[in-house]
Amino acid sequence: NAGVTQTPKFQVLKTGQSMTLQCAQDMNHNSMYWYRQDPGMGLRLIYYSASEGTTDKGEVPNGYNVSRLNKREFSLRLESAAPSQTSVYFCATLSDRGRGYTFGSGTRLTVV
Amino acid sequence: AQSVAQPEDQVNVAEGNPLTVKCTYSVSGNPYLFWYVQYPNRGLQFLLKYITGDNLVKGSYGFEAEFNKSQTSFHLKKPSALVSDSALYFCAVRDDTGRRALTFGSGTRLQVQP
Repeated sequence: NAGVTQTPKFQVLKTGQSMTLQCAQDMNHNSMYWYRQDPGMGLRLIYYSASEGTTDKGEVPNGYNVSRLNKREFSLRLESAAPSQTSVYFCATLSDRGRGYTFGSGTRLTVV
Repeated sequence: AQSVAQPEDQVNVAEGNPLTVKCTYSVSGNPYLFWYVQYPNRGLQFLLKYITGDNLVKGSYGFEAEFNKSQTSFHLKKPSALVSDSALYFCAVRDDTGRRALTFGSGTRLQVQP
């Protein structure tokens, strides 16, 4: 009954370090999304996945990679973190009828 | 491409007074419109959505929104504001491409004064 689970909730990285943000859903939805939230800019789409094994770029994909190895999980990877990637990251799913989104609680990432 | 505008960075209202948070949108085809609320250090909570049907949509916590196709607006309203309504509000539209992602406005901070 968890919906969308994101881990970790908080992370501090040094410039140049790598890390993977995890997202898992238990709703059996095909569509999943990664957004970043920055002050005054709302949420912006980084990557999305229409189904297992498929991914595509959103508005702000530079510096990120994603992986959708199964229907349940959609991970976001920062290969070499930069201070500009300091943000709050949200994962979301879309119901298969396309009418309802479920968001995770977010990962607050700070790159120093 | 779709877009959402929230023209007010902040809205201040006294407790008990009606509140309006403005949103205009641009999208080709039929709009799917959403309002979300975010409390400090929390995730996004769904308030309401317009897919089709009545132009006045009722949602959670006493909020409602009026869809106006001719003005391409979807303003959020509440008849009587509570201090606990103070939060960040986002309007969003589902995009008109196959990815069906949400495009968000920049957010409006609502401050309700006692």
